[in-house]
Amino acid sequence: KAGVTQTPRYLIKTRGQQVTLSCSPISGHRSVSWYQQTPGQGLQFLFEYFSETQRNKGNFPGRFSGRQFSNSRSEMNVSTLELGDSALYLCASSSDPAETQYFGPGTRLLVL
Amino acid sequence: DAKTTQPNSMESNEEEPVHLPCNHSTISGTDYIHWYRQLPSQGPEYVIHGLTSNVNNRMASLAIAEDRKSSTLILHRATLRDAAVYYCILRTTGRRALTFGSGTRLQVQP
Repeated sequence: KAGVTQTPRYLIKTRGQQVTLSCSPISGHRSVSWYQQTPGQGLQFLFEYFSETQRNKGNFPGRFSGRQFSNSRSEMNVSTLELGDSALYLCASSSDPAETQYFGPGTRLLVL
Repeated sequence: DAKTTQPNSMESNEEEPVHLPCNHSTISGTDYIHWYRQLPSQGPEYVIHGLTSNVNNRMASLAIAEDRKSSTLILHRATLRDAAVYYCILRTTGRRALTFGSGTRLQVQP
């Protein structure tokens, strides 16, 4: 079975722009969670989607949003990018929200 | 969320056992103990989890103290590939998100 895939793997943007990141979960998994990893704050939970509905949200500003499609693929969007949004964005999938999460390799975003 | 405490770093020699400790004195009865590891330039990888009894899988063993206030992840024979940051996480039943701490950076010497 293929693992979690994330695209793109690397991205460079400038302040004020917006960005969309994509995540394809493991086949059959319906739950997708997003995390942000920075050197200063470590790994922090952004939000979780299950059956196209956001079920849980972390403590991030409204500039961070996401959605999930009927095929369980998910996207997250960050609008009006700030320098502090530079991070590794990780997607994790699971068959059910309470089950083991399997992570993708991440998208490394650099905001200049 | 209940908090976990891990040493910042540990060193081991290749082919020797490694015991990675985790303290979680405020654990509740519904908290599962999960371990993930993150190899350089990769996303976190699930290692093992347990509730009360010791657990074994092909990657590692998890030893849980009788009072559940601490646990130990055991790598039976460390390899260079086991060099990673190891995270001990408490996950309450029904709670979906994983709350990561700062983890233990394991270095394995040849």
